[in-house]
Amino acid sequence: SQQGEEDPQALSIQEGENATMNCSYKTSINNLQWYRQNSGRGLVHLILIRSNEREKHSGRLRVTLDTSKKSSSLLITASRAADTASYFCATDGRSNYQLIWGAGTKLIIKP
Amino acid sequence: EAGVAQSPRYKIIEKRQSVAFWCNPISGHATLYWYQQILGQGPKLLIQFQNNGVVDDSQLPKDRFSAERLKGVDSTLKIQPAKLEDSAVYLCASSSQGFTGELFFGEGSRLTVL
Repeated sequence: SQQGEEDPQALSIQEGENATMNCSYKTSINNLQWYRQNSGRGLVHLILIRSNEREKHSGRLRVTLDTSKKSSSLLITASRAADTASYFCATDGRSNYQLIWGAGTKLIIKP
Repeated sequence: EAGVAQSPRYKIIEKRQSVAFWCNPISGHATLYWYQQILGQGPKLLIQFQNNGVVDDSQLPKDRFSAERLKGVDSTLKIQPAKLEDSAVYLCASSSQGFTGELFFGEGSRLTVL
């Protein structure tokens, strides 16, 4: 079963603009992770945010977590062509540590 | 540090044939995962190992899929016989942090069943 749902399914923006994608989940979690997947490649871990954290930064990435709304957002600032990829969120439930993945947001950065 | 190695990268077979995928995780990583990723979807967990023991194989179609992790290191995923709907990318991942840590993925093995 898929707990995380990313929104939007696809996003196309101009290089230099900011990109925001969202993830919603259904049950209480320990952690939420974001991964990037370039076409034809494996997934690469971007950031992990714990349930007691509200915001986390890593370079041009900013992740927020709202446990009351069961949602997270990933912001990529000053986008680059190399950011073109699919982005997935993954959550692990409090009672079941299995990671549950969403279907991803496909991000296209236009030069 | 060497990453997660997978082979083969691509495999084309006919339905009812068999196929095997191999994974070598990052050295020292106790947890190993096999995921199936169908085009346009997120990864779906097939099986999770902790050392050489199975932690979760609830979504593994056991009538046709099997997996083993010898000596808690390398792992092999086998499909026999393959069906058309098995066409997907099979991703191997490993983790040093137990159940909830960062996963390191291989490049995947893309299977096409004709």
